[in-house]
Amino acid sequence: DTAVSQTPKYLVTQMGNDKSIKCEQNLGHDTMYWYKQDSKKFLKIMFSYNNKELIINETVPNRFSPKSPDKAHLNLHINSLELGDSAVYFCASSLRQGALGTEAFFGQGTRLTVV
Amino acid sequence: GDSVTQMEGPVTLSEEAFLTINCTYTATGYPSLFWYVQYPGEGLQLLLKATKADDKGSNKGFEATYRKETTSFHLEKGSVQVSDSAVYFCALILTGGFKTIFGAGTRLFVKA
Repeated sequence: DTAVSQTPKYLVTQMGNDKSIKCEQNLGHDTMYWYKQDSKKFLKIMFSYNNKELIINETVPNRFSPKSPDKAHLNLHINSLELGDSAVYFCASSLRQGALGTEAFFGQGTRLTVV
Repeated sequence: GDSVTQMEGPVTLSEEAFLTINCTYTATGYPSLFWYVQYPGEGLQLLLKATKADDKGSNKGFEATYRKETTSFHLEKGSVQVSDSAVYFCALILTGGFKTIFGAGTRLFVKA
């Protein structure tokens, strides 16, 4: 069983389109995240949710809107896609926010290419 | 602010060579420290961790020791294999914090 699964794995779309990436975790974790990894492999947190509530929004453009229908799911919707949105997006989860030694479990990533 | 700095790559080694990837951190609180590994085309996975000063994390022949006095968590392996080729990320999370902070990643190439 995949612990953190996200779909699709690849997404190629034109500028201006709207797209969604879905994420589900079956680990029973309370906290979920979205990270963006650029072409140089640098990882930047975008959002953090704890029990369906938004905890962190790291100055991400309003075009990005996360939605958490329940604590096992965190989806990412992106409006009006731009070339600069091309990156790999990772969903992750952790057992409890900020507990000592709590590691994050990552999905396989969604490679988004905007043309 | 809280941050992680790790050595720039790529690091290229021959099989069975000794590996060190340096990592230092800045934290306002008392962090837990991690090394994650990302194999090509995959997500990150935890390699090892340490939660207090002088703790040593170890896994798959890799080791790192939490050094509070030098704010460091250097990754070492005595004899690398081709299969160790990947990107390695040093990271921290503060107790009570809301996010894991990652270093920039270090790409390792191991030649046969």
